[in-house]
Amino acid sequence: EMQLVEIGGGLIQPGGSLRLSCVASGFTFSNYIIHWVRQVPGKGLEWISSINSNGDDIEFLDSVKGRFTISRDNAKNSVYLQMNSLRVEDTAVYYCARRSRAFDIWGQGTMVTVSS
Amino acid sequence: DIVLTQSPGTLSLSPGERATLSCKASQWITTGWLAWYQQKPGQPPRLLVYGASSRAPGIPDNFIGSGSGTDFTLTISRLEPDDFAVYYCHHYGSSPRAFGQGTKVEMK
Repeated sequence: EMQLVEIGGGLIQPGGSLRLSCVASGFTFSNYIIHWVRQVPGKGLEWISSINSNGDDIEFLDSVKGRFTISRDNAKNSVYLQMNSLRVEDTAVYYCARRSRAFDIWGQGTMVTVSS
Repeated sequence: DIVLTQSPGTLSLSPGERATLSCKASQWITTGWLAWYQQKPGQPPRLLVYGASSRAPGIPDNFIGSGSGTDFTLTISRLEPDDFAVYYCHHYGSSPRAFGQGTKVEMK
């Protein structure tokens, strides 16, 4: 079964850092662009970042540029989202998604809560 | 940046009825890089349609995507009880990959 699993969410204070992992299985991970999308509970979806198959083409939403970084380790079938200088408004469920025919495979999401 | 505006915000219909969801883009979307997703509470989005009109694998044929340029539509020809959910359109071409704000299809 093709799947993505997000790991690493939790409760963090404003200004803190957190690293999310997205671990893939069931497909040739190194062939695909991976995206991160977040969703405030009860609200809509917001695209935040992407990384291409070999990690040399990276994009970010303006509001997270300079605070978030993205990387991947194809040997470990993993993408990482390093989130620094976290703000209350970064509180959301964070999903990773595979880009094939649009975003065709999504993880179940991991909740990140930024609160003092 | 492309902005996607979905309408209506909420659609109240009964099983067996037809649902028509609209998605309007602020700029021309080339190559049809427009997708539709269904999301139920506590679940991730599920891809329904990509390329504006191609159904994703395993999606029943009562989900029909259409449109081009700046105007796109998702039609659910006959609503099943399992179809009541929130639907999002999505431009997945260039950065930033915009999502519409969603249309909730609720049971009347």
